[in-house]
Amino acid sequence: EPEVTQTPSHQVTQMGQEVILRCVPISNHLYFYWYRQILGQKVEFLVSFYNNEISEKSEIFDDQFSVERPDGSNFTLKIRSTKLEDSAMYFCASSDVSDRELFFGEGSRLTVL
Amino acid sequence: QQQVKQSPQSLIVQKGGISIINCAYENTAFDYFPWYQQFPGKGPALLIAIRPDVSEKKEGRFTISFNKSAKQFSLHIMDSQPGDSATYFCAAKGGATNKLIFGTGTLLAVQP
Repeated sequence: EPEVTQTPSHQVTQMGQEVILRCVPISNHLYFYWYRQILGQKVEFLVSFYNNEISEKSEIFDDQFSVERPDGSNFTLKIRSTKLEDSAMYFCASSDVSDRELFFGEGSRLTVL
Repeated sequence: QQQVKQSPQSLIVQKGGISIINCAYENTAFDYFPWYQQFPGKGPALLIAIRPDVSEKKEGRFTISFNKSAKQFSLHIMDSQPGDSATYFCAAKGGATNKLIFGTGTLLAVQP
């Protein structure tokens, strides 16, 4: 069964450092998303990406965040200067059609010290 | 308007019992209502979803009941099993936005 894969599974970084989280969406999918989940809380939308551009973003997704699809398979989330409150599980998701099921990866846990 | 309210926060059910989790929304533009199951350390996985043109959808032991006029929907897990112990999230999307709005989650524990 096709799946969304994410790396790294866990990253520990110092406050102020740049972090890149990587995702390989399901191969025929066209819509890509990043969500995050602070420990014990609900899953929150960060950004959606289609046709090589951001289609929607939340207020959480400020200038410190960026997304990129550098090649035909990877989808990345970059946090330029991490803050303590960026500590969370970050989930990548993809879908083939905008109103269909989202398939989530297993997440990348980010710990900012 | 963009919130989805979920209850209860946690639920303990005996094996073989019925687990019921409820969600309510306000945005009448929402037209897709999925339920996700999440095990510790894993990503959310779609369990079952419904659109507002039907009032109920059943897949195996899992049923969604949907009340459009009340703007509520619920997940029923029949014959609950210890393997169903997980966190369950309702979600909604529709209208001008393509983002899923998640509820706050329900931690279900099914006791053997």
